[in-house]
Amino acid sequence: QLQLQESGPGLVKPSETLSLTCSVSGGSIASTTYYWVWIRQPPGKGLKWIGTIYYSGSTYYNPSLQSRVTISVDTSKNQFSLRLSSVTAADTAVYYCARHRAGLWDTFDLWGQGTMVTVSS
Amino acid sequence: DIVMTQSPDSLDVSLGERATINCKSSQSILYTSTNKNYLGWYQQKPGQPPKLLIYWASTRESGVPDRFSGSGAGTDFTLTISSLQAEDVAVYYCQQYFSTPPTFGQGTKVEIK
Repeated sequence: QLQLQESGPGLVKPSETLSLTCSVSGGSIASTTYYWVWIRQPPGKGLKWIGTIYYSGSTYYNPSLQSRVTISVDTSKNQFSLRLSSVTAADTAVYYCARHRAGLWDTFDLWGQGTMVTVSS
Repeated sequence: DIVMTQSPDSLDVSLGERATINCKSSQSILYTSTNKNYLGWYQQKPGQPPKLLIYWASTRESGVPDRFSGSGAGTDFTLTISSLQAEDVAVYYCQQYFSTPPTFGQGTKVEIK
């Protein structure tokens, strides 16, 4: 059964770059059906889509974060990654990796457990 | 961006009673050529990631109990829990995927009365 697991530092200093990796197990990230996603949730708040990547490397970003976001994929490691530059306290959140259910414009049917990232000096 | 607005923000329901959550989009999320509404519903319990319940506004995800149902079209949607169980205590989110960026409602917290 396919599973997703986020990893990365839990504490990032302001103005630095947040880097997270999502490891996909139980299946291949190089599926022609699925797209892979990063979503975040500030403490006690709602959900925000950050961006999506296909195994070929095609990316789609939230315009509100596009200038600071890079999502990449490494099919040899069955992983995809998030980099968010110039972070501030407003970027403090639980970061989830997830999967689109059946195509690019679809719901998210599989989620990692999430990883909390705090931006603080 | 399409703004998704849920009501109410919180809901207290007795065990076995019906819970109804509303979700309104700032523009229609009905794709007329396919007659599909690009709307999903999620359940999030404390300390857990969201769980997909409903897609295409009314199609239940595999394994989701049939007490959960979705309805609506265009801009107005509803998630109904027909008989609330203790394990249904959670925050529920609607989400549109009609246009990018996909956006979520602010959430509705369901608790036991």
